Amino acid sequence: DTAVSQTPKYLVTQMGNDKSIKCEQNLGHDTMYWYKQDSKKFLKIMFSYNNKELIINETVPNRFSPKSPDKAHLNLHINSLELGDSAVYFCASSQADRGLFFGSGTQLSVL
Amino acid sequence: QKEVEQDPGPLSVPEGAIVSLNCTYSNSAFQYFMWYRQYSRKGPELLMYTYSSGNKEDGRFTAQVDKSSKYISLFIRDSQPSDSATYLCATPLGGGADGLTFGKGTHLIIQP
Repeated sequence: DTAVSQTPKYLVTQMGNDKSIKCEQNLGHDTMYWYKQDSKKFLKIMFSYNNKELIINETVPNRFSPKSPDKAHLNLHINSLELGDSAVYFCASSQADRGLFFGSGTQLSVL
Repeated sequence: QKEVEQDPGPLSVPEGAIVSLNCTYSNSAFQYFMWYRQYSRKGPELLMYTYSSGNKEDGRFTAQVDKSSKYISLFIRDSQPSDSATYLCATPLGGGADGLTFGKGTHLIIQP
């Protein structure tokens, strides 16, 4: 049973569209995250949610909005997609300082 | 100054060699450090967790922290082709926030 699962695995879309990526964790962790990995493999934090509260927003454009319906889910909505948004987006979860557990990623390609 | 600096490589070594991967960090207050391994088209997976200074060994892998020089290392003994991956070091985000800051990752290639 997958610990952190995200869908879709691949997402190809046109510039200007709005898209969502879903994430679910079954580890019972309190905190969930979204990370972005660019073409050079640099992994950078975008958001974290702890008990439905946004903790971090690392200078991410407001076109990106995380939404957490409950502790086990953290979805990422992206409005007005731009070419520069093309990247791999990873969902992750953690409990205290025991490390992050990542999903398998969503490859987003904006054409 | 970036929180974590890591040479991106690639680093290519023959099978059976000892591999040394290194990172430097800037915040002397950090108390724990991690190494993640990422295979192509996969998510990063936690490989080693080291709290404070010293060594931690797990099979062929040894993680080492030198807080005096703000230097963290990962050693792989008897390297195998299956060890070929990108290795990322990570430190706490800092400021009391949850999450990790990652180095840029070192792409490791083990030649059969």
